[in-house]
Amino acid sequence: AQTVTQSQPEMSVQEAETVTLSCTYDTSENNYYLFWYKQPPSRQMILVIRQEAYKQQNATENRFSVNFQKAAKSFSLKISDSQLGDTAMYFCAFMKRGDDKIIFGKGTRLHILP
Amino acid sequence: DTAVSQTPKYLVTQMGNDKSIKCEQNLGHDTMYWYKQDSKKFLKIMFSYNNKELIINETVPNRFSPKSPDKAHLNLHINSLELGDSAVYFCASSQTVQVNTEAFFGQGTRLTVV
Repeated sequence: AQTVTQSQPEMSVQEAETVTLSCTYDTSENNYYLFWYKQPPSRQMILVIRQEAYKQQNATENRFSVNFQKAAKSFSLKISDSQLGDTAMYFCAFMKRGDDKIIFGKGTRLHILP
Repeated sequence: DTAVSQTPKYLVTQMGNDKSIKCEQNLGHDTMYWYKQDSKKFLKIMFSYNNKELIINETVPNRFSPKSPDKAHLNLHINSLELGDSAVYFCASSQTVQVNTEAFFGQGTRLTVV
């Protein structure tokens, strides 16, 4: 069974700093997808970034980038120039290719301090 | 336009009542899900429907029953509500993995059983 682990329950950084959220996962699959979701206080779940396991290049979306280490089964999220609006819960998630089931980590609460 | 919409956003009810939460997606996706988020922000999948067929049931009590009148809707019915049912419930949808792997979530419904 696949598992997703986020080892940081909560983090705080100053505005404009760079922050990295950790995520590790366990799977015997070779073809899969990884995601980071943001959940602001409104409780909407927002897809931040995704990575296809077969791609070696790390995904990037504006200020958000990932460090995907397939061999280590690590998928960290880096937020550059953090903004107050980045304050939210962040969930790492895994989906096996060909499956409909999304496996989420427990989340990391991120506080951006003014 | 809201891609995945849930109603109501908040629901307060007494133990023993029967209630329903509605979910609609306008993305043309084939698969819809219900997740339960507990007080620790962990999301656990409850059901998924693919083309009106239940394909995942994660040992959810039979008091919970998903009903899908068509591909765009997946409603959650809960009978004989219990205190432990209090949580935020998220509906989500996704296209089959061959086409699109992102899961789009609704805003969530906070259910409080008193």
